Amino acid sequence: DTGVSQNPRHKITKRGQNVTFRCDPISEHNRLYWYRQTLGQGPEFLTYFQNEAQLEKSRLLSDRFSAERPKGSFSTLEIQRTEQGDSAMYLCAGRLAGNEQFFGPGTRLTVL
Amino acid sequence: QQQVKQSPQSLIVQKGGISIINCAYENTAFDYFPWYQQFPGKGPALLIAIRPDVSEKKEGRFTISFNKSAKQFSLHIMDSQPGDSATYFCAAGSNTGFQKLVFGTGTRLLVSP
Repeated sequence: DTGVSQNPRHKITKRGQNVTFRCDPISEHNRLYWYRQTLGQGPEFLTYFQNEAQLEKSRLLSDRFSAERPKGSFSTLEIQRTEQGDSAMYLCAGRLAGNEQFFGPGTRLTVL
Repeated sequence: QQQVKQSPQSLIVQKGGISIINCAYENTAFDYFPWYQQFPGKGPALLIAIRPDVSEKKEGRFTISFNKSAKQFSLHIMDSQPGDSATYFCAAGSNTGFQKLVFGTGTRLLVSP
């Protein structure tokens, strides 16, 4: 158990709806990452937070995606106007002072 | 240049055998190379990691070999067990890039009893 929790674990939505995912790292994880993983592929980086500051965003993160980390604790990832191509596993990872990233169990999104 | 190439795509090994997975990278700015194990429906779990100042690191049955000049690294699983059956991902990160990880495409390992 990495101590990183994600909710919900599964989300089924209809195309065009908005969805929000939550990640709760352990309190010592001042660095937090979001990745997306499609079936049969490795995770792809989406965005990075150091404390509450969002320091980097991938070009995969279109303007329909927004992430926040208020107060440097939990983080949310929102997808507006979902598309079928957004169907994937969304993974959150926390990182301490070293390099190791510890992943949560992920949220599997299915867009119908 | 940001890619990490991983092979083989799938691997079948007999119980007790050695599983070997290889990765190659191009970006010389990468300075951190972890391996992750992922079971179906679960998030990736960190197995072992290496930095380019060492050529080998061993933790239990898992060993990373690193060849800086060839820009290649590999994972060896000794005495492979059926419980090792999972998908393995290599990855690379850089301190200049906030250590965001670039992952390989994964190797599905099946250890037959």
